[in-house]
Amino acid sequence: DVKVTQSSRYLVKRTGEKVFLECVQDMDHENMFWYRQDPGLGLRLIYFSYDVKMKEKGDIPEGYSVSREKKERFSLILESASTNQTSMYLCASSTRLAGVIDTQYFGPGTRLTVL
Amino acid sequence: DAKTTQPNSMESNEEEPVHLPCNHSTISGTDYIHWYRQLPSQGPEYVIHGLTSNVNNRMASLAIAEDRKSSTLILHRATLRDAAVYYCVGGNAGNMLTFGGGTRLMVKP
Repeated sequence: DVKVTQSSRYLVKRTGEKVFLECVQDMDHENMFWYRQDPGLGLRLIYFSYDVKMKEKGDIPEGYSVSREKKERFSLILESASTNQTSMYLCASSTRLAGVIDTQYFGPGTRLTVL
Repeated sequence: DAKTTQPNSMESNEEEPVHLPCNHSTISGTDYIHWYRQLPSQGPEYVIHGLTSNVNNRMASLAIAEDRKSSTLILHRATLRDAAVYYCVGGNAGNMLTFGGGTRLMVKP
């Protein structure tokens, strides 16, 4: 079974802190994604990566950065956390088939609260 | 963007079929239609996807309209474990998947 793990289920940080959210997948997938999920807004894509050291902005990249130094690991960084970044953060991975977006496998999510 | 529109919520009785509708009138000819569901306190999980033809798997069936502007996810016999938020998602290799608000399915015993 594909496994996507996230470093924390719950995280509480203070405004202005630098926050790292880690995601690891064990299926040798090329693509990795970071979403945030807020009530009434569904899932919104923050960033995705289609290869090591490669990244693309999603719909809401402002206030976030990402790092992918190894194929299995994709990190989301909040340089200076703000209260409006309180949310559920979901990581996903997928393989890359020619011309097709393959099934995305999601981690359990990290609920981040910024005070 | 392959934006989708779904009802906010639906109710079903246990062991009855459930038809979850989705409108995707802006979908392009190469966009696949994907369905995911999210159980409480979990990340979304894949259910099914298709392009033009109806599709079946062990979890559900997907009926796609001939004009591809809408589709219906069919759960043949709802169980209490099917209570979840169901997302209809459009996308292809050129455009990332765009998740909307989804439909919250409630299953009554």
